[in-house]
Amino acid sequence: AQKVTQAQTEISVVEKEDVTLDCVYETRDTTYYLFWYKQPPSGELVFLIRRNSFDEQNEISGRYSWNFQKSTSSFNFTITASQVVDSAVYFCALSPYNTDKLIFGTGTRLQVFP
Amino acid sequence: GAVVSQHPSRVICKSGTSVKIECRSLDFQATTMFWYRQFPKKSLMLMATSNEGSKATYEQGVEKDKFLINHASLTLSTLTVTSAHPEDSSFYICSAGGLAGGSADTQYFGPGTRLTVL
Repeated sequence: AQKVTQAQTEISVVEKEDVTLDCVYETRDTTYYLFWYKQPPSGELVFLIRRNSFDEQNEISGRYSWNFQKSTSSFNFTITASQVVDSAVYFCALSPYNTDKLIFGTGTRLQVFP
Repeated sequence: GAVVSQHPSRVICKSGTSVKIECRSLDFQATTMFWYRQFPKKSLMLMATSNEGSKATYEQGVEKDKFLINHASLTLSTLTVTSAHPEDSSFYICSAGGLAGGSADTQYFGPGTRLTVL
């Protein structure tokens, strides 16, 4: 079965705190892709990152970083020095091999308070 | 780049009427477009996948006669909710892929359409 689990439904932090959003996936494919999207209150999903299963290098983009661990089937997302504008729902998604479909997790609602 | 628009952003209609939602890729040609439905505080549920010039592929449990999808060109797909009922009220989101070709292309999402059926 293909599945994405985001166990944290809601996280609240105060500005400048670091926060990690967890994502665990299940797939039998050896080739697959993982994504993170941000959905602010406006509703539009914003693409953050795409990672293929053969690339386990961690990635950093400004205050965002991603930790891909194939051994634990996890693709966690860390926001450093969080800001109020980071408040949104964050979705992790899996795209199995040879398909364009995205399997979404249930999302984690992040609230950053000033 | 990779901008996807949806129109309308909000629509309120009476029960029994049909509603058409448009999804356009503004700065790229999308070989594949996807339609999702999102209930409040829930995840996105894929309804169907449409490829330009061919019939849409619907996910299990989605009524194809109720949710008509047309992908007339590489930049436009439409979703028509026919004979809408209050339970069809939801947030409908489209996405477009095909920017790079091949499978597992990054999908770029439209801003969504909030449908309310009275």
